[in-house]
Amino acid sequence: KQEVTQIPAALSVPEGENLVLNCSFTDSAIYNLQWFRQDPGKGLTSLLLIQSSQREQTSGRLNASLDKSSGRSTLYIAASQPGDSATYLCAPVSGTYKYIFGTGTRLKVLA
Amino acid sequence: ETGVTQSPTHLIKTRGQQVTLRCSSQSGHNTVSWYQQALGQGPQFIFQYYREEENGRGNFPPRFSGLQFPNYSSELNVNALELDDSALYLCASSTQGAGEKLFFGSGTQLSVL
Repeated sequence: KQEVTQIPAALSVPEGENLVLNCSFTDSAIYNLQWFRQDPGKGLTSLLLIQSSQREQTSGRLNASLDKSSGRSTLYIAASQPGDSATYLCAPVSGTYKYIFGTGTRLKVLA
Repeated sequence: ETGVTQSPTHLIKTRGQQVTLRCSSQSGHNTVSWYQQALGQGPQFIFQYYREEENGRGNFPPRFSGLQFPNYSSELNVNALELDDSALYLCASSTQGAGEKLFFGSGTQLSVL
């Protein structure tokens, strides 16, 4: 059974800092892994999707890496901004295309 | 291109009642997944529908059921509501295939009193 852990659970940083959010999963037999952002009471917005054959993906100030063999993924946010404040969720997918989510990292970027 | 839309946005029910939540998938998407998100938790997979058939189910009792229609829109039905069913219900659409991105709607906030 896939279990996903995200560390840290919460993070508060001043604007401009570079951040690393961590995601670990127990079953390495995954098809891909997706990172999402969620604003309070809202749905999820897809940030990056990494295929199992890839090691990283980049979009703007975001970079996600995947080490499938060790069951780890990291999301790197460069030059953080107050608008980045949200909960960040990772979700590997395996089996019948079922995404399993971690509990997320709540990020607050202070102006 | 229209995104994923869910209705209603908020709903209040009492214990024992039944509820139907609706989802319109993003244009071009043939797969719909439903998730339950309790406060402070990550979304939990309920089930997925592909071409009008259930294509995977999470650890939810049979009183959670669904439908997918020929236009790929979907319904989630919950019978005999319990207090613990209070949560944000999220619908996500995608094209079939494990390598495809999920696109989420804004969710339905269900409160069971």
